[in-house]
Amino acid sequence: QKEVEQNSGPLSVPEGAIASLNCTYSDRGSQSFFWYRQYSGKSPELIMSIYSNGDKEDGRFTAQLNKASQYVSLLIRDSQPSDSATYLCAVNKGSNYQLIWGAGTKLIIKP
Amino acid sequence: DADVTQTPRNRITKTGKRIMLECSQTKGHDRMYWYRQDPGLGLRLIYYSFDVKDINKGEISDGYSVSRQAQAKFSLSLESAIPNQTALYFCATSGPLNTEAFFGQGTRLTVV
Repeated sequence: QKEVEQNSGPLSVPEGAIASLNCTYSDRGSQSFFWYRQYSGKSPELIMSIYSNGDKEDGRFTAQLNKASQYVSLLIRDSQPSDSATYLCAVNKGSNYQLIWGAGTKLIIKP
Repeated sequence: DADVTQTPRNRITKTGKRIMLECSQTKGHDRMYWYRQDPGLGLRLIYYSFDVKDINKGEISDGYSVSRQAQAKFSLSLESAIPNQTALYFCATSGPLNTEAFFGQGTRLTVV
């Protein structure tokens, strides 16, 4: 079992709809969680960070964390073609605070 | 100017050659990382350093070595490059404890 798992996709969503991306992790001691967006050939850029259970909203993006079930999700409302990218989930491993990365979910927003 | 700078941005080298990728940062972070990314795969950790005197192997360190010359500089070397080391390489930094990682622009390395 991988330490951080994501569905590789591609996930295809119509423009204007809600895109839902999911990530599960194995280390119960994990304390911080991040979503990064990566365009092809570019470096990952941070979209959201979340540290406590519940929802965190920033514009069209909402991160959701459920530590009991060990999953974190990212919702993108009013999806735009520019949201088409690979989304990487990263979890700060509790033991030494090293970031562990999922393989990423490719999101395609269809006009 | 970028907070995390990688040089070179692109490099083509021959099998068996030694090559060094350099990374410098102005964020004042102690923690620095080298990742490798292959098409369709996530980020794989090669080496990481939590301070100047601390160097640790990641999941795919074979065939690579690193040097932490200063807090701001972390170099990755391929002692004898081979074609399956063709990939996109990223340097990253992070602050202490639970903070996020900041990435350089990446180095696209091709070994022929």
